[in-house]
Amino acid sequence: KQEVTQIPAALSVPEGENLVLNCSFTDSAIYNLQWFRQDPGKGLTSLLLIQSSQREQTSGRLNASLDKSSGRSTLYIAASQPGDSATYLCAVRSNAGNMLTFGGGTRLMVKP
Amino acid sequence: DVKVTQSSRYLVKRTGEKVFLECVQDMDHENMFWYRQDPGLGLRLIYFSYDVKMKEKGDIPEGYSVSREKKERFSLILESASTNQTSMYLCASSFTGTRSYEQYFGPGTRLTVT
Repeated sequence: KQEVTQIPAALSVPEGENLVLNCSFTDSAIYNLQWFRQDPGKGLTSLLLIQSSQREQTSGRLNASLDKSSGRSTLYIAASQPGDSATYLCAVRSNAGNMLTFGGGTRLMVKP
Repeated sequence: DVKVTQSSRYLVKRTGEKVFLECVQDMDHENMFWYRQDPGLGLRLIYFSYDVKMKEKGDIPEGYSVSREKKERFSLILESASTNQTSMYLCASSFTGTRSYEQYFGPGTRLTVT
């Protein structure tokens, strides 16, 4: 059964810092990996989706990489801002079906 | 833009009541999903549907049922609400086939059962 782990569970950084969030998964037979952002009490907003054949995806200050063979993905946030404060979730879709398996999330706080 | 809407943001129900949570998407997605999210347990899949009138159990289907009579609408039903079903409920949808399978989420319904 696929298991997804995100480390660290919480992170606090000063504004302007570049940071990396980590996601690992146990079964490398994935179809894609998706990074989401969730603000307190709200739904999930899709940030980036990486297909299994891709190595990375970029959107603005965000860059997500995927190393399928080692079961790892990272989300890089450049020049962090207080508005980036949120919980970041990664989720993998295994080849077997349509379902996503989610990690526990990293709660990010960017201090002004 | 894809839009997934949920019928209520906040809902308070009594133990034993029958509860309906509605989800509507406007992008003609084949797949629709219901999750619940709890502190320390993360997001867990309750049910999903890959076509009208089709459904599959997720990880935690006990105490829930679903209905998909139209492609754009997916309902989650709590037959007899219990306090352990107090949670945040999130609906999502996605394409199937050869498309990207990116899942889009609604704003969530915070359900409290007293």
